[in-house]
Amino acid sequence: NAGVTQTPKFRVLKTGQSMTLLCAQDMNHEYMYWYRQDPGMGLRLIHYSVGEGTTAKGEVPDGYNVSRLKKQNFLLGLESAAPSQTSVYFCASRDQSARQETQYFGPGTRLLVL
Amino acid sequence: GNSVTQMEGPVTLSEEAFLTINCTYTATGYPSLFWYVQYPGEGLQLLLKATKADDKGSNKGFEATYRKETTSFHLEKGSVQVSDSAVYFCALSERDRGSTLGRLYFGRGTQLTVWP
Repeated sequence: NAGVTQTPKFRVLKTGQSMTLLCAQDMNHEYMYWYRQDPGMGLRLIHYSVGEGTTAKGEVPDGYNVSRLKKQNFLLGLESAAPSQTSVYFCASRDQSARQETQYFGPGTRLLVL
Repeated sequence: GNSVTQMEGPVTLSEEAFLTINCTYTATGYPSLFWYVQYPGEGLQLLLKATKADDKGSNKGFEATYRKETTSFHLEKGSVQVSDSAVYFCALSERDRGSTLGRLYFGRGTQLTVWP
């Protein structure tokens, strides 16, 4: 039981390049989230998904796209990376039950955009 | 709207000192409250939580009590250890009018460093 995994762990991009961050969870969770963490800002929600085939915008969605083709995977895409997207990205998942509110986080992906 | 405010760090303490990290919140509904901890180079882990007023969450010697009257959820530990050095995040999850989305709203995090 690996929990929530993220790939890659670290990446350097040039401005304008594209990339996809992969999040995978093996807990059969319905809900998945992508956050970014910036110094002094806490975590901010980028996009989220309440089930396979569904996605929605969070607090800071601009410049990102997501897809949830399989229940266990949640992909975050940057079509044209900008230096402002330099950040640490965390994926999280949780059960859909109202009683099971705990979100489980992956180890993060550090992205540097030059 | 929903928001969380926690004391700014960094907080530096000697081993066995008493720790308090203040957290207050605003919410339009009836939130659950959480403390998450992030150790260096790792993702966030749930430390403790409380789901209703006057509940006390506790784990690993840490405690926090859900105070509705003061909209607070302060984190405390009686005797910190070097291994407690980490960033601590206060968060709320609102049970939004029947929705079970459970989006988390985070504070900015408080860096704790404990010296031997």
